[in-house]
Amino acid sequence: GAVVSQHPSRVICKSGTSVKIECRSLDFQATTMFWYRQFPKQSLMLMATSNEGSKATYEQGVEKDKFLINHASLTLSTLTVTSAHPEDSSFYICSVQLRGYGYTFGSGTRLTVV
Amino acid sequence: GESVGLHLPTLSVQEGDNSIINCAYSNSASDYFIWYKQESGKGPQFIIDIRSNMDKRQGQRVTVLLNKTVKHLSLQIAATQPGDSAVYFCAESYSGGYQKVTFGTGTKLQVIP
Repeated sequence: GAVVSQHPSRVICKSGTSVKIECRSLDFQATTMFWYRQFPKQSLMLMATSNEGSKATYEQGVEKDKFLINHASLTLSTLTVTSAHPEDSSFYICSVQLRGYGYTFGSGTRLTVV
Repeated sequence: GESVGLHLPTLSVQEGDNSIINCAYSNSASDYFIWYKQESGKGPQFIIDIRSNMDKRQGQRVTVLLNKTVKHLSLQIAATQPGDSAVYFCAESYSGGYQKVTFGTGTKLQVIP
């Protein structure tokens, strides 16, 4: 199956700064990637759908100006959390769908904003 | 929006016994269902999936059952092992194209040695 690499695995940043998270599809060209957020002891909530070469599609309630998504190539999507605040501390996970073969998830990024 | 839900947050099972994790979904239009296993601090790991034209699918030690009439999904794990301890999520989607996945609330499986 596809291998999805997510980086960094953990990041601590100061309140007000921006953090970039990378999601790479290592052996599959992904025109679409998905970004999820997961708070402790909760389920994964879809934030946005990242489309290669076009604008991302955001779920209701997700601020597109705060969570910037760039999908400039078929193997890389990035999520930038801008002006991060402690309430943005969460586990961020990306995924790739293989047509007809289900979905593969990255290993996640633990963001802590202090 | 419609959602997939679980009502058993924690399930404790003796090692060697069979585990059954249940899930209720509400979107009757969903036609593709997946079970994921998530260990602490890691991303979800695919376990097994099933399409709506089936009511049962078996994998290695795992079986997924789908009852479309009552919108119910279950995951059965045979001979549960300590390594099965994790949080299990059911998820739903539409087959074909690139469609988003909606996750249920999750069940934590604790295997007692």
